[in-house]
Amino acid sequence: DGGITQSPKYLFRKEGQNVTLSCEQNLNHDAMYWYRQDPGQGLRLIYYSQIVNDFQKGDIAEGYSVSREKKESFPLTVTSAQKNPTAFYLCASSMSYSRQYFGPGTRLTVT
Amino acid sequence: GESVGLHLPTLSVQEGDNSIINCAYSNSASDYFIWYKQESGKGPQFIIDIRSNMDKRQGQRVTVLLNKTVKHLSLQIAATQPGDSAVYFCAEGSGSNYKLTFGKGTLLTVNP
Repeated sequence: DGGITQSPKYLFRKEGQNVTLSCEQNLNHDAMYWYRQDPGQGLRLIYYSQIVNDFQKGDIAEGYSVSREKKESFPLTVTSAQKNPTAFYLCASSMSYSRQYFGPGTRLTVT
Repeated sequence: GESVGLHLPTLSVQEGDNSIINCAYSNSASDYFIWYKQESGKGPQFIIDIRSNMDKRQGQRVTVLLNKTVKHLSLQIAATQPGDSAVYFCAEGSGSNYKLTFGKGTLLTVNP
């Protein structure tokens, strides 16, 4: 997992509640990313950040929000506006334009 | 939009055989390609990467081949082992926006 931690590993929430997923890296990487993975599917980009205090929407940003106040941290909030939030969420980081290192993932279940 | 896809969603091989996993990409501007391995319930692990100025790159038991003419990428695994059973993703990147586009993945099953 290369110095990227995600917590918790499993998360359960009731529908209508916002929930924040944690992602921390100690690799001194500039860029960080959030992906969503559904069963039997590939990775879809939610948000990414190339530098502190800046981030861009990915392909499926609706219903999600992020912040990048510190280089090491890139928390993802799944809001009640996300219609189908149950999924496996992966955080990654990279040093500029190069391979991305992934965390172990958080499996979110919303009922 | 541009996308990365795979020819085969599943691949079953016998232990000791060589495996070949294929990937087609459509963005001719892509200049960086990566293969990842993902075991069930875990995050993807980097296997090998290649830049567009190369046709072939070798690692430990793995080789990546890039054919820019037909926009095709392949991952070859030599002497496949049960521990190689996983989903394999190819990903492509271009320019300086740091983004990668992932394919849907191929499930490799190694039979003992």
